[in-house]
Amino acid sequence: GAGVSQSPSNKVTEKGKDVELRCDPISGHTALYWYRQRLGQGLEFLIYFQGNSAPDKSGLPSDRFSAERTGESVSTLTIQRTQQEDSAVYLCASSSYGATNEKLFFGSGTQLSVL
Amino acid sequence: GESVGLHLPTLSVQEGDNSIINCAYSNSASDYFIWYKQESGKGPQFIIDIRSNMDKRQGQRVTVLLNKTVKHLSLQIAATQPGDSAVYFCADFGAGSYQLTFGKGTKLSVIP
Repeated sequence: GAGVSQSPSNKVTEKGKDVELRCDPISGHTALYWYRQRLGQGLEFLIYFQGNSAPDKSGLPSDRFSAERTGESVSTLTIQRTQQEDSAVYLCASSSYGATNEKLFFGSGTQLSVL
Repeated sequence: GESVGLHLPTLSVQEGDNSIINCAYSNSASDYFIWYKQESGKGPQFIIDIRSNMDKRQGQRVTVLLNKTVKHLSLQIAATQPGDSAVYFCADFGAGSYQLTFGKGTKLSVIP
């Protein structure tokens, strides 16, 4: 597609359930990022994938969070045993090469609500 | 840790006036800065960027100014329009890091 696509756009779940969020980056982009945005806050880095390199997972808040990426395409962010504090918008972004002088293109995010 | 931050959380301007949004950064090694606009319910949208070898860059109705001496960045929007109402974030990459770090954002409200 023309832009970064995320699904679902909204997800409501019960505390303790697992959720999977999906991201389709811009075709040809080798770098993919996940960010979390709590209500009224800035973006918190979660994880970064670049090609076949080991991902940078330094931003994942706990071992309940994990992410996978298939080659240079789709990525899935999984949150296990969700907690109310996980409620936030989860944003995915991609860039051409993952360089530190490249802008990131963002999707519209998944609004996660944990009841 | 080092971070990018903003001076003002909210800004209200009259339609047609110019807007100035400020940002202070602490990482003296940062060499690339980006401004994003985020409308309600949407992801951040790229507005303009600037590299540290420049002190000014202009786009369509927007200008970014970089003052490396005092580690300050600003976004100027000319002839502000209702469609400019959004939250604006500055962001940069920390030294040796692939993590694009965002400030908390400034909410711009345009009064018709």
